[in-house]
Amino acid sequence: ETGVTQSPTHLIKTRGQQVTLRCSSQSGHNTVSWYQQALGQGPQFIFQYYREEENGRGNFPPRFSGLQFPNYSSELNVNALELDDSALYLCASSLGTHSGANVLTFGAGSRLTVL
Amino acid sequence: AQTVTQSQPEMSVQEAETVTLSCTYDTSESDYYLFWYKQPPSRQMILVIRQEAYKQQNATENRFSVNFQKAAKSFSLKISDSQLGDAAMYFCALVRGNTPLVFGKGTRLSVIA
Repeated sequence: ETGVTQSPTHLIKTRGQQVTLRCSSQSGHNTVSWYQQALGQGPQFIFQYYREEENGRGNFPPRFSGLQFPNYSSELNVNALELDDSALYLCASSLGTHSGANVLTFGAGSRLTVL
Repeated sequence: AQTVTQSQPEMSVQEAETVTLSCTYDTSESDYYLFWYKQPPSRQMILVIRQEAYKQQNATENRFSVNFQKAAKSFSLKISDSQLGDAAMYFCALVRGNTPLVFGKGTRLSVIA
């Protein structure tokens, strides 16, 4: 079975620009969660998508938005980039929304640098 | 609110020795799950071990085991016979129901040959 793949692996943007990060979920998984991991910190939950609908959101502003497609892949979009958006963005997929019973499988992340 | 605290930013261990990483947490729930994740330089989070709070028995996975103290809200990870490949960031995480994982800040483990 294929795991979770994310693209791009690294990217550099300037303040005010927009970015789209992509995630292909593990085969058979229908739920995708996105996390932001700042340098030296643990991951922070951004939002989760289940059956193409947002199913829970963390403490992130509306300029963070997402999509899930019928094949369960997902996108994270960030508008009006700020310096503090520099981080590793992790995507995780699972079968179902219960993150305890349904273990998350993580991708290797997209490293975003905002200058 | 749920919180996870890892009080050891860095730890080191000699190859083949045993090391214990500490984690404390806070939740008002009685039913939840606890995890240890490993994040090597490749950046991908890898599940090391999972503990269900309603289970008294401590989880074990080969060289990895936990000491789960529910009343004390403590969840430490013991790595036995440490190997060079164990060097990584280790994150403790807590989740209940359909809520998202809450992670600690991590412990960087170095393994000395």
